[in-house]
Amino acid sequence: DAKTTQPNSMESNEEEPVHLPCNHSTISGTDYIHWYRQLPSQGPEYVIHGLTSNVNNRMASLAIAEDRKSSTLILHRATLRDAAVYYCILRNSGYALNFGKGTSLLVTP
Amino acid sequence: DTGVSQDPRHKITKRGQNVTFRCDPISEHNRLYWYRQTLGQGPEFLTYFQNEAQLEKSRLLSDRFSAERPKGSFSTLEIQRTEQGDSAMYLCASSSGDSSGNTIYFGEGSWLTVV
Repeated sequence: DAKTTQPNSMESNEEEPVHLPCNHSTISGTDYIHWYRQLPSQGPEYVIHGLTSNVNNRMASLAIAEDRKSSTLILHRATLRDAAVYYCILRNSGYALNFGKGTSLLVTP
Repeated sequence: DTGVSQDPRHKITKRGQNVTFRCDPISEHNRLYWYRQTLGQGPEFLTYFQNEAQLEKSRLLSDRFSAERPKGSFSTLEIQRTEQGDSAMYLCASSSGDSSGNTIYFGEGSWLTVV
């Protein structure tokens, strides 16, 4: 699977939007972009995924660049419960997800 | 809630002992995955099953580790002759189908401490 690059950490104020970037310059045409998050002492939790078009669900939005070499996970209104490590993962087969180190998001009141 | 279930959630064992973890995937999910996660790192893939067939094993899965999924439902991960370096959280996950667009659902993990 192609590699992704994410900032090690980000900080946000509560109730403000958060934009988590992910670079994946070597993405292939069949790679899906998946986002998971992991709260302390819990298993990873699915957030959202997409292929080419922007995606929205109840948790977040995923904005995918036109050339697909980068994407942004958008939390519209951060809460303290959104403090977690966020992983951006490319997947082009039915095999397992390969996690990197992700972005640790700190949300302050 | 019928998510992925793991048991036990916590296990403390002495070095050299054997331990076994159990995973019950989401009903009718044909794919089951095992991961290991150490402090400060992302989850690392160990192995996965499609139904009862073990289709891929990571190089991390040494010969002291064995995983089974005998009837294509629950799975066990056994670690023999545990070492302190085996201390980690062991995560199980499941999914349906084999599309790269399918969602993989994780359990809460089983924490292992080897003393």
